[in-house]
Amino acid sequence: DAGVTQSPTHLIKTRGQQVTLRCSPKSGHDTVSWYQQALGQGPQFIFQYYEEEERQRGNFPDRFSGHQFPNYSSELNVNALLLGDSALYLCASSLGTDQETQYFGPGTRLLVL
Amino acid sequence: AQSVAQPEDQVNVAEGNPLTVKCTYSVSGNPYLFWYVQYPNRGLQFLLKYITGDNLVKGSYGFEAEFNKSQTSFHLKKPSALVSDPALYFCAVRGTGFQKLVFGTGTRLLVSP
Repeated sequence: DAGVTQSPTHLIKTRGQQVTLRCSPKSGHDTVSWYQQALGQGPQFIFQYYEEEERQRGNFPDRFSGHQFPNYSSELNVNALLLGDSALYLCASSLGTDQETQYFGPGTRLLVL
Repeated sequence: AQSVAQPEDQVNVAEGNPLTVKCTYSVSGNPYLFWYVQYPNRGLQFLLKYITGDNLVKGSYGFEAEFNKSQTSFHLKKPSALVSDPALYFCAVRGTGFQKLVFGTGTRLLVSP
């Protein structure tokens, strides 16, 4: 049973560019959440997708957008990259019920130069 | 608004001794509480959660946590530290109704032989 997978594992971009990160949820899960973890910090919630809709959003600018596909996989897009966007981006999947645990993927480390 | 405090940046313990990693929280309504562990350059691994019921929750790798509603705490404990335990430990809280998961800043656990 595959867990949460993310691609790519590492990425280097320059300021102003755009990036797309991908996530495949754990088998049987229908909800995907995205988090940003800056160096030395705890993960910060970006947004959550359920039934292909953004269900909830954290305090991130509109440069951060996402999408969920019918197979429950998801993409995180960041436009007009800033140096401060350098971080580990974590995807978590869960079942769309209130009490379910979120299971995390290994993350994508993004470096913006 | 939800929040989590992990007052210790680092906890040092000798191998074989009991360990405690502290966590206090603030949330409206009943809390859903979680502990995750992060190894270097890895995503977060789920350890245990409290949703309802017994205040003492048992989880993976011999860890347990005690929910204390009056003190709004959810400290992580282990009776005997192992050399395989050093990692970054995160406490997280979520309210009911599909609210976002809010993480603490993490506590680094060191185990000396």
